[in-house]
Amino acid sequence: DAKTTQPPSMDCAEGRAANLPCNHSTISGNEYVYWYRQIHSQGPQYIIHGLKNNETNEMASLIITEDRKSSTLILPHATLRDTAVYYCIVRVASGGGADGLTFGKGTHLIIQP
Amino acid sequence: DTAVSQTPKYLVTQMGNDKSIKCEQNLGHDTMYWYKQDSKKFLKIMFSYNNKELIINETVPNRFSPKSPDKAHLNLHINSLELGDSAVYFCASSQKGTHGYTFGSGTRLTVV
Repeated sequence: DAKTTQPPSMDCAEGRAANLPCNHSTISGNEYVYWYRQIHSQGPQYIIHGLKNNETNEMASLIITEDRKSSTLILPHATLRDTAVYYCIVRVASGGGADGLTFGKGTHLIIQP
Repeated sequence: DTAVSQTPKYLVTQMGNDKSIKCEQNLGHDTMYWYKQDSKKFLKIMFSYNNKELIINETVPNRFSPKSPDKAHLNLHINSLELGDSAVYFCASSQKGTHGYTFGSGTRLTVV
């Protein structure tokens, strides 16, 4: 799986958009970008994934650059409950894979009141 | 209607004991996993299991053994517990051909 690089921590004001960057310059053509988050004392939670096109769901938007070497997760109106560690994971389609998900250190996003 | 449920949520036990953590998923997924999150918060996969094969992370001591009575359950047995086994253990499941993994809420194991 391609390696990802994320800032260790970020702050964002409540109500503002939180933009979390991820670099994955060695991504292969068949690898997806996945985002998960882990709120304190809970299990990781799937947020969104994408291959080439930008994606949006009820939780967030995912912007992938045209060369696919980096991406940004956007939480449009951050709330205090969005404080968590956010993981960017790059791999081939992940469901049912014997090797599971490989988590890095992620970005600790702190939403300030 | 919890998708992936683990029991117990907390487990405190003495060194040398044998303990089990249970995991059940009601999503109909074909693959289940155990992850360990240590005090430094790194999440590492321990096992993956479907009805055909068990894949073991080579760094996991053989004191740890998964047992799957059926497709919906993957329990974790730990023999001769050591202080270093203290961690949060997460169960997860996924389905081949889909993209998401669903995690349980974790079991905090403390060995004293």
